[in-house]
Amino acid sequence: NAGVTQTPKFHILKIGQSMTLQCTQDMNHNYMYWYRQDPGMGLKLIYYSVGAGITDKGEVPNGYNVSRSTTEDFPLRLELAAPSQTSVYFCASSYSGGGGAQPQHFGDGTRLSIL
Amino acid sequence: AQKVTQAQTEISVVEKEDVTLDCVYETRDTTYYLFWYKQPPSGELVFLIRRNSFDEQNEISGRYSWNFQKSTSSFNFTITASQVVDSAVYFCALKGGGQTSGSRLTFGEGTQLTVNP
Repeated sequence: NAGVTQTPKFHILKIGQSMTLQCTQDMNHNYMYWYRQDPGMGLKLIYYSVGAGITDKGEVPNGYNVSRSTTEDFPLRLELAAPSQTSVYFCASSYSGGGGAQPQHFGDGTRLSIL
Repeated sequence: AQKVTQAQTEISVVEKEDVTLDCVYETRDTTYYLFWYKQPPSGELVFLIRRNSFDEQNEISGRYSWNFQKSTSSFNFTITASQVVDSAVYFCALKGGGQTSGSRLTFGEGTQLTVNP
């Protein structure tokens, strides 16, 4: 069972460059999320999506963009990378049904360094 | 606004000791959901438990138990007879029941548990 798959696992980016972090899930979940985790901290929500074609900002959206063209994929785009975006990025997905909050399933993370 | 506080930044115990991780939350929603996640040194996030605000029944799963008390807005996690493999960062998280939340979680900052042999 693949679950939530993130690529790449590690990447070093130069200041000012752009890149896309990939996330795909095979559980047919309609909700998907991007979080960042800074050293010694909890996770902060960047963007989320409640279904294909629908995205919304989380707590820390500045410097990022997302799109959701399919149920399975939810890429995160960094434009003009800055050192403050050095972090571990987690993608997650969850099922919206069941009458309550379903647990989010997380990918293994992408460790991104911007130098 | 929602908030989750895990006051214990780090806890260190010796194997076989019992340990309790504290979690205090704030929300104005009358319906909400609480979660615990484990992040081992390998870095992935593992879901442990979900609790609904309308169900205050405590839960035990093997060596793990959870004590949910709405009166004190707490959802504490106890590991009995701790083992070295329990060493990890543990996160408490909250989801409000409002329609605008999009099922997003508010995380605490985590408690680093180290179990020494």
